[in-house]
Amino acid sequence: EAGVAQSPRYKIIEKRQSVAFWCNPISGHATLYWYQQILGQGPKLLIQFQNNGVVDDSQLPKDRFSAERLKGVDSTLKIQPAKLEDSAVYLCASSWGGLAFFGQGTRLTVV
Amino acid sequence: AQSVTQPDIHITVSEGASLELRCNYSYGATPYLFWYVQSPGQGLQLLLKYFSGDTLVQGIKGFEAEFKRSQSSFNLRKPSVHWSDAAEYFCAVGANYGQNFVFGPGTRLSVLP
Repeated sequence: EAGVAQSPRYKIIEKRQSVAFWCNPISGHATLYWYQQILGQGPKLLIQFQNNGVVDDSQLPKDRFSAERLKGVDSTLKIQPAKLEDSAVYLCASSWGGLAFFGQGTRLTVV
Repeated sequence: AQSVTQPDIHITVSEGASLELRCNYSYGATPYLFWYVQSPGQGLQLLLKYFSGDTLVQGIKGFEAEFKRSQSSFNLRKPSVHWSDAAEYFCAVGANYGQNFVFGPGTRLSVLP
């Protein structure tokens, strides 16, 4: 069974630039999450989708972050414009049966 | 709202010694509880989970955890640590299907040869 796929694995951008991350969940998983993991901390939920609808985006900085899951399968997370404090690993996960499965993450460095 | 605390930021043990990592949670109903491990540059790998039933759960790589409702704890244990166990360990709490997972701050495990 293929796992959660994320790309790119690494990204370095300058502050005020924009960046996008892509996630393809495990086939058949209706729930998809984006987490932000700052170095030395636990993952923090940014947004949760159920199919193509948003369940929870209460911790998403909506002035600069956006996410979509148009067809209820893969998802894109965008940051525009990026700030230095956005440097983190962005983890995508999908869940089924109460279990979450994580991708390898995208490590973003904002300089 | 759910929350998770992991009191130990960093633990160092000798190879072959026993290990216990602490986790306390806050949740109003019966939680789903998880331990994940993260090696440097890697994603999160599920070690074990508790949904219901037997409060002592076995996981991969020789790990086990015990759910104690009275103490709101879900501590992770291993009887003999291997050098390859050095990593970051995260406790997480979930709820019913479809709800999000809340993670603790993590405990970094170092293993001395």
